[in-house]
Amino acid sequence: SQQGEEDPQALSIQEGENATMNCSYKTSINNLQWYRQNSGRGLVHLILIRSNEREKHSGRLRVTLDTSKKSSSLLITASRAADTASYFCATDGNDYKLSFGAGTTVTVRA
Amino acid sequence: NAGVTQTPKFQVLKTGQSMTLQCAQDMNHNSMYWYRQDPGMGLRLIYYSASEGTTDKGEVPNGYNVSRLNKREFSLRLESAAPSQTSVYFCASSDPGRAAYNEQFFGPGTRLTVL
Repeated sequence: SQQGEEDPQALSIQEGENATMNCSYKTSINNLQWYRQNSGRGLVHLILIRSNEREKHSGRLRVTLDTSKKSSSLLITASRAADTASYFCATDGNDYKLSFGAGTTVTVRA
Repeated sequence: NAGVTQTPKFQVLKTGQSMTLQCAQDMNHNSMYWYRQDPGMGLRLIYYSASEGTTDKGEVPNGYNVSRLNKREFSLRLESAAPSQTSVYFCASSDPGRAAYNEQFFGPGTRLTVL
């Protein structure tokens, strides 16, 4: 069964607005990763946060992790049309496998 | 570097036919993976190979077999295709030992339809 669950399933925002999506998981993790998938393409790694970290930034991306609540959030600031994609969280239990959620589909309107 | 390549990009099969999906990576990664992606389901792990010479079942292995041909190549075989295997298949590779974490690199996918 899938470890992570993203919320919301879909998100539509205006260009320039921020997009926030959440991920909840069930078991302890070594780290949590976020991936992006453009339509018809494979997934691309965006950012990783380790279990002993609470917040991480990379360009317009901000990730938080709350291990007590088993949840993470991904914030994309000042969104652009090119950010239109599906975003997946993936939990890493340090066993060579990642467990992916069902994803959040983000549409950025011009 | 091409990264992870997959062939074919598209395939239509009839129920009961067999086929092999090919995957190759040129990043010298030890670990390779096969996933399937269905609408609203995210990615589900079919099989993985933690290192050359080893393969293990993932979450949904029934109806599939794999071969880790060498360090570069990892193939997925459908012996008798069923409509339930209609999906998009992704191959991925990583090197969790060298990178200290399991960042995976994905191929472009194979869209398979079973009639």
